[in-house]
Amino acid sequence: AQSVSQHNHHVILSEAASLELGCNYSYGGTVNLFWYVQYPGQHLQLLLKYFSGDPLVKGIKGFEAEFIKSKFSFNLRKPSVQWSDTAEYFCAVTYNTDKLIFGTGTRLQVFP
Amino acid sequence: DGGITQSPKYLFRKEGQNVTLSCEQNLNHDAMYWYRQDPGQGLRLIYYSQIVNDFQKGDIAEGYSVSREKKESFPLTVTSAQKNPTAFYLCASSDRGWEQYFGPGTRLTVT
Repeated sequence: AQSVSQHNHHVILSEAASLELGCNYSYGGTVNLFWYVQYPGQHLQLLLKYFSGDPLVKGIKGFEAEFIKSKFSFNLRKPSVQWSDTAEYFCAVTYNTDKLIFGTGTRLQVFP
Repeated sequence: DGGITQSPKYLFRKEGQNVTLSCEQNLNHDAMYWYRQDPGQGLRLIYYSQIVNDFQKGDIAEGYSVSREKKESFPLTVTSAQKNPTAFYLCASSDRGWEQYFGPGTRLTVT
């Protein structure tokens, strides 16, 4: 079955630390990849997306993600986190359909 | 001001009652979706609709029903057959094949 894995369930960092959240998907065909973020009390919103082209995509608030097809991965990175990055992060994928398949999410806590 | 509205924000019901959650969008999107969010399980797709008067079951459709009589509206009914209805429900819309935009959610508590 098509699925998305986020292996980091809860990440705790200090401000200015670097962040990398893992995301792997299960199918080797054509995919569209997304990272969504849910800040406390706010809507789920798009951080960044990959449809085609440059596998290194840049999103809002200094986030980036790299699509590595050979590893079925789309890891999210940020070189220096801030307290305001505290949120839950979801990786999601579509396989040539309108259906988004979400990972289970990673809760990030950043301490000053 | 374009977006997705869901009402109410919090909803309480007694077990055995059906309850309908509202979702409206003014983004002129063709596709609309309902998800359920539970701690540690991410978002799971309940139903989706790619066009008016048509909808498909998602991964966890049992105990839920939907209708899509208008492009801008996609209400979700949580029936008494849903064994564990207490959850956070999210509605989304998209312009077919592109990113999904999410509403603020409805937290349903059934006691």
